[in-house]
Amino acid sequence: DVKVTQSSRYLVKRTGEKVFLECVQDMDHENMFWYRQDPGLGLRLIYFSYDVKMKEKGDIPEGYSVSREKKERFSLILESASTNQTSMYLCAIQETSPLGYTFGSGTRLTVV
Amino acid sequence: EDKVVQSPLSLVVHEGDTVTLNCSYEVTNFRSLLWYKQEKKAPTFLFMLTSSGIEKKSGRLSSILDKKELFSILNITATQTGDSAVYLCAVCVSNSGNTPLVFGKGTRLSVIA
Repeated sequence: DVKVTQSSRYLVKRTGEKVFLECVQDMDHENMFWYRQDPGLGLRLIYFSYDVKMKEKGDIPEGYSVSREKKERFSLILESASTNQTSMYLCAIQETSPLGYTFGSGTRLTVV
Repeated sequence: EDKVVQSPLSLVVHEGDTVTLNCSYEVTNFRSLLWYKQEKKAPTFLFMLTSSGIEKKSGRLSSILDKKELFSILNITATQTGDSAVYLCAVCVSNSGNTPLVFGKGTRLSVIA
């Protein structure tokens, strides 16, 4: 089974800081995703990537960017963290067949 | 726009009760429907459904898909406190493999002793 690792479980950052959230998979899946999850709003797609150096905007990309220099690693970057980016961030990979997701354990980010 | 709607949004039941969670969808190019359970952290996979009328079962949990009426249900019988979680429904669209799943907002189930 694929393993998806997010580098931090809990993170506290100050407003204006640049924040990097890392996601690493231990297999060779092409499709990787970043979501944020907030009470009452469900999972919202920020960015996704279907290959190295490829990226696609999701539903709420504003304030975020991503990097995929290697197939196994997909990074989410908050260029200048703001309090409204306090959230649970989930990374996922999409299996080749069936096309479901395996999620990382999540990073709960608090911006103060 | 593809849409997945789950109901109810939250539910409180007593141990031993049977619950039914609902998921309806409006999407183009339906491929499959998936159910996930999310406790404190990452969602974990429960079922994937592709064909109408075929029940998937795992212990006390079962699920079925109706592709004509565009919905799925997740049943949990003899609920236990360990069933307390958010249950997510998602739909896989298209055949290309490069399309994100479309998620519902989830149903928060609380089972009290």
